[in-house]
Amino acid sequence: EDQVTQSPEALRLQEGESSSLNCSYTVSGLRGLFWYRQDPGKGPEFLFTLYSAGEEKEKERLKATLTKKESFLHITAPKPEDSATYLCAVQAPPLYGNKLVFGAGTILRVKS
Amino acid sequence: DAGVIQSPRHEVTEMGQEVTLRCKPISGHNSLFWYRQTMMRGLELLIYFNNNVPIDDSGMPEDRFSAKMPNASFSTLKIQPSEPRDSAVYFCASGELYSPLHFGNGTRLTVT
Repeated sequence: EDQVTQSPEALRLQEGESSSLNCSYTVSGLRGLFWYRQDPGKGPEFLFTLYSAGEEKEKERLKATLTKKESFLHITAPKPEDSATYLCAVQAPPLYGNKLVFGAGTILRVKS
Repeated sequence: DAGVIQSPRHEVTEMGQEVTLRCKPISGHNSLFWYRQTMMRGLELLIYFNNNVPIDDSGMPEDRFSAKMPNASFSTLKIQPSEPRDSAVYFCASGELYSPLHFGNGTRLTVT
């Protein structure tokens, strides 16, 4: 069965302290790996899609990378407003269309 | 675009009562998904539709759960009868084939 595992479960950082979140997956024929951000009381908000090993995407202080077995979400010089739960999800055959399987998420807290 | 719209935002009901959750997807999206989120199990896919047709309902926990999509702009998820273990946040998401999903802000259901 396809699995998506995120680590750590929770991460506390000081403002400006860079770090990385991990998403490891066991799927065959990965079609896409997605990163979402979720704020309390809100639905997940799309951040990035990665399709092949070696691919990288950046948005402000966030950078997502992909290997054949895992993805990292690097956070450079985080600010308190980066505090959220970060979810990764995979899309792979025989999943039809854009059906996604999500990991449990990493809760990030950035203190000023 | 107003995004995916869900109603109600909060629902409190007594065990045994019928509950109906509603979703209006983003115009033009041909896929619609219902997810459930709990602390214990994270985001779980319940059912998804493509072009208003149910494609995979293997995540629907029991016959008490049913979902319909009578047209491209509206979907419902019904629980009858409801039980305390159904308490969770229910999300609706929509997307185009092989594109990222866009989530609504969810309905928080509490069954007492």
